[in-house]
Parts: sequence; structure tokens; C-alpha cells
Amino acid sequence: GAVVSQHPSWVICKSGTSVKIECRSLDFQATTMFWYRQFPKQSLMLMATSNEGSKATYEQGVEKDKFLINHASLTLSTLTVTSAHPEDSSFYICSARSVEGPGEQYFGPGTRLTVT
Amino acid sequence: AQKVTQAQTEISVVEKEDVTLDCVYETRDTTYYLFWYKQPPSGELVFLIRRNSFDEQNEISGRYSWNFQKSTSSFNFTITASQVVDSAVYFCALSEAGGQNFVFGPGTRLSVLP
Repeated sequence: GAVVSQHPSWVICKSGTSVKIECRSLDFQATTMFWYRQFPKQSLMLMATSNEGSKATYEQGVEKDKFLINHASLTLSTLTVTSAHPEDSSFYICSARSVEGPGEQYFGPGTRLTVT
Repeated sequence: AQKVTQAQTEISVVEKEDVTLDCVYETRDTTYYLFWYKQPPSGELVFLIRRNSFDEQNEISGRYSWNFQKSTSSFNFTITASQVVDSAVYFCALSEAGGQNFVFGPGTRLSVLP
């Protein structure tokens, strides 16, 4: 149980285009999902917290107009990187917190984005 | 503010050696969770353990063991008889009781040489 999927697992796009990444909780409902970014040889940094049916909360330094987050249902959150640039190339990982239990976060497998 | 420190950036050991990865944390909460994750080259985080702040019992799972000491705010991870497949980046993490404010340490890159 407690499986989180991400799609796509990797994507290459041209500079200036937009990319959407999906995060799904497969066997549980998640009121809250989190988006992290990990640059090479660095740790995971929280970008934003996404609550179902409401606006996402962004961490300091993260551009909300560039990283659009939508959490339309209890099992799906999407991150859209708009007008992507090479510096947005990174590993993006989502996690989902179950509505039940102590609220543990379950992590997705990550999406590797390369902007050329 | 919560903070996790992993002082060892990289460690190299020879297969079958024991290795301990250090983790020191800071929090003002009385109730919190501590975690260890393994991140192999594929990138996917592999959950290893979660420890409640009220449970200071050390835990052993196969070749893995964890030493939680609230007095020193440490949650160290030991791999006994290391294997090449243990090579990965290991992250220690801390969260509030409700799973909020999940903070990762900088990670320790472990290389186990044959």
C-alpha cells in the first residue's frame, strides 16, 4: 500500500516550452501533496505544499508563476514548469500525505527534467 | 526552525566493513519523527525507517541498525558487513508530528568498494 506514482519519469524539453508533471496517490487519498526539487549532488528542497481544492503554498524563493501547482482531487496533483529554462533542469519529486493515520509522507519515484 | 545535519559528505568503505552514518537534528517540537532514506543512482527514495521521538529504543533490521539518542539529538545509522549494493546517497530527515515541515539533511554518499 501507500504507493505514489509520477508521470513522466523523465522528460526533455526545449527552452521556452512548458512541462507538466503528474503526481498520483494510487491506493490512498491525500489531502496534501508536496513538491520537492533536487539538483545534482544536493539534497531535496521543498518547493511547495499543495492542498486539495485550494491554492498551493510556495517556499521562499520559488516563483509561483513559473511553477504552477494544481491539486484538483484527493489523488492527483500536477506541477507545470512554465517557460522552462536550462536552469530548471532538475529532479522533481512529489510526496503525498494520507488523510488517515499520523500523516506520514509517501514519496514518488521522481521526474528528471532536462531543458535544452 | 528544524534542521538536519549530516556531517559526512562522502564515505568510502571496502565491502564487508561496518559503516556508521551520522545524523544530528534540531527541533523545538517535543513530538516529531525521524527518518532515513536511501537514494540509489536511479533517484527513487527508498524508505528505511521512521522513528517517533518518544521511542528511543534502538532498532535492528538485518544488516541495518539505528541508534536514536535524544540527549545528543542524534539518529545514527549503521550498516554491518557492507555490500556493494549499499552504495547510494543516504538522507536523514525530520518532520513534525503531523508530517508537516519535512526537512532533509544534506545526505551522505556511501561508496562500498568490492
